[in-house]
Amino acid sequence: KNEVEQSPQNLTAQEGEFITINCSYSVGISALHWLQQHPGGGIVSLFMLSSGKKKHGRLIATINIQEKHSSLHITASHPRDSAVYICAVRLPGTYKYIFGTGTRLKVLA
Amino acid sequence: GAGVSQTPSNKVTEKGKYVELRCDPISGHTALYWYRQSLGQGPEFLIYFQGTGAADDSGLPNDRFFAVRPEGSVSTLKIQRTERGDSAVYLCASRPDGNTEAFFGQGTRLTVV
Repeated sequence: KNEVEQSPQNLTAQEGEFITINCSYSVGISALHWLQQHPGGGIVSLFMLSSGKKKHGRLIATINIQEKHSSLHITASHPRDSAVYICAVRLPGTYKYIFGTGTRLKVLA
Repeated sequence: GAGVSQTPSNKVTEKGKYVELRCDPISGHTALYWYRQSLGQGPEFLIYFQGTGAADDSGLPNDRFFAVRPEGSVSTLKIQRTERGDSAVYLCASRPDGNTEAFFGQGTRLTVV
């Protein structure tokens, strides 16, 4: 079992839909990151969370440390949001990250 | 440049050859990471540098893999006697000190034929 699990693995949505991607982890962490990876491999960091909630534009990320769970929400989704979204956790006292396998999102026009 | 730069973007090499992959981190970032991403998988940690030293190289799969960062900026990942299983996207990330986000490069897609 992976230490970082994401669901769903694949998601297809219609433009305008509200999207939720989930991340559960089984290890203690010092921070959790949500990353966006477009075709071609480039990765962009969306959020870094250690507690609570963050919002940036149409993206919202939440984390529940007690439940070891985080969610990434996309409001009013758009085809340009199509990408792989990856959850990564940083282990306490280290700079090592463990990555989930990603959620492949496709938003249809 | 403003971001993390990796070169080459694509590399095709024959089995058994030696390859070098380069990462130019964001200026002033002391932390540098190498990851390997196989098809359909999340990135897998290889090595972490803090300054010039490898603070954690526990992710290097075997002794064919080696990485250096001699001046604390540019890093080179070196793979000897490449095997087909080494084919992957190799990602580099850098981060300033402290509890901050990491910035990723575009990756080098290595194909061993």
